[in-house]
Amino acid sequence: DIQMTQSPSTLSASVGDRVTITCRASQTISNWLAWYQRKPGKAPKVLIYKASSLESGVPSRFSGSGSGTEFTLTISSLQPDDFATYYCQQYSSYRTFGQGTKVEIK
Amino acid sequence: QVQLQESGPGLVKPSETLSLTCTVSGGSISGYYWSWIRQPPGKGLEWIGYVHYTGNTRYNPTLKSRATISVDTSKSQFSLKLSAVTAADTAVYYCVRDGSSPSNHDYHGMDVWGQGTTVTVSS
Repeated sequence: DIQMTQSPSTLSASVGDRVTITCRASQTISNWLAWYQRKPGKAPKVLIYKASSLESGVPSRFSGSGSGTEFTLTISSLQPDDFATYYCQQYSSYRTFGQGTKVEIK
Repeated sequence: QVQLQESGPGLVKPSETLSLTCTVSGGSISGYYWSWIRQPPGKGLEWIGYVHYTGNTRYNPTLKSRATISVDTSKSQFSLKLSAVTAADTAVYYCVRDGSSPSNHDYHGMDVWGQGTTVTVSS
């Protein structure tokens, strides 16, 4: 089965910062990767699918890149609404989530 | 707007079978894949498996055949049974809408989630 490793597990940043989260797969998954944002008490929300496709309604400051085994989620200018936990999820073989990256206020 | 609601016992004894049901409202269960996800305390999200509205299923291999997911389209429900539970199965369990196509090209992620139900395994 495919393992997904996210880094860092926690990230401290300020409003306006550029933020990058990395997700590595234990084997190649092509570009079959999604990114989610999750806030306390709420369901995860899809941000990115197929590694770099922006889900409808998601602000353009979010972007995804990568293929094969290494992927990144970038927030170009962090906004107050973006403090949350972010998960990657592969769908190349079944489904596997990364362990999450919490973006907190510096 | 599609909504999902989990139901089932909040406490299960070790070695017994955990049973949960998810009711789909505000939309059709047909045409979609439906997953169960869980999150143990302090840990990340774990996919348990999915069922297609036709009844086809796929499971997380790490659960070693303990999971069974079924669908009842007449009731707009799908269900999870997890046998031989231990304390490690204590988690918040979520039912989720998990796409409408067998092709990865058309997959946009898990777009509708239930609120989650806490299941504790303890004697």
